Amino acid sequence: GQQLNQSPQSMFIQEGEDVSMNCTSSSIFNTWLWYKQDPGEGPVLLIALYKAGELTSNGRLTAQFGITRKDSFLNISASIPSDVGIYFCATADPYSGAGSYQLTFGKGTKLSVIP
Amino acid sequence: IAGITQAPTSQILAAGRRMTLRCTQDMRHNAMYWYRQDLGLGLRLIHYSNTAGTTGKGEVPDGYSVSRANTDDFPLTLASAVPSQTSVYFCASSDSIGTGAYNEQFFGPGTRLTVL
Repeated sequence: GQQLNQSPQSMFIQEGEDVSMNCTSSSIFNTWLWYKQDPGEGPVLLIALYKAGELTSNGRLTAQFGITRKDSFLNISASIPSDVGIYFCATADPYSGAGSYQLTFGKGTKLSVIP
Repeated sequence: IAGITQAPTSQILAAGRRMTLRCTQDMRHNAMYWYRQDLGLGLRLIHYSNTAGTTGKGEVPDGYSVSRANTDDFPLTLASAVPSQTSVYFCASSDSIGTGAYNEQFFGPGTRLTVL
């Protein structure tokens, strides 16, 4: 099946620092997603990207859809303790005629923020 | 607003036993999904259902079965549990409006299953 290579696997940063993580694939995709999973909970969608080169922000989060359509990046500025969690990239392929999507997830980046 | 509920929250199960994980959503979403999450592997799709009465296989379907008798419920059954099925299981649901944009999948809180 398709594989997404997400890096780094984990990060320890000081509160207030900026964070960058990325996801690459050997295949081209039309939709890139970024989800966050808080400890003990299910993932929650942060940002959806639909167009090569697209740059989208959600508060202190900014994500980009790579020009080649094979990668995506997520940046978090001025990190705070509640940013702790696991961040997943994902791609979405539509099920034919159904309006629903098959998601393929990266393995996640575990973020720890030191106050 | 409940969203998606899963039961049980956690379970320890002897190998060989049958187990059904329950998932209910109150958002009237047509599509529902089951994922398993293992350390270092992210989330992998087990089975999905695009609408009541239909189901499909995901990436890792072996050893699991699902049914979709109505819109709200999507139970996942392990007929004879094995230790490799120890994992955290997440149910999700999504609308299926055909606008061309991604119909967000909303996830439940998960069931932590340990098979001994």
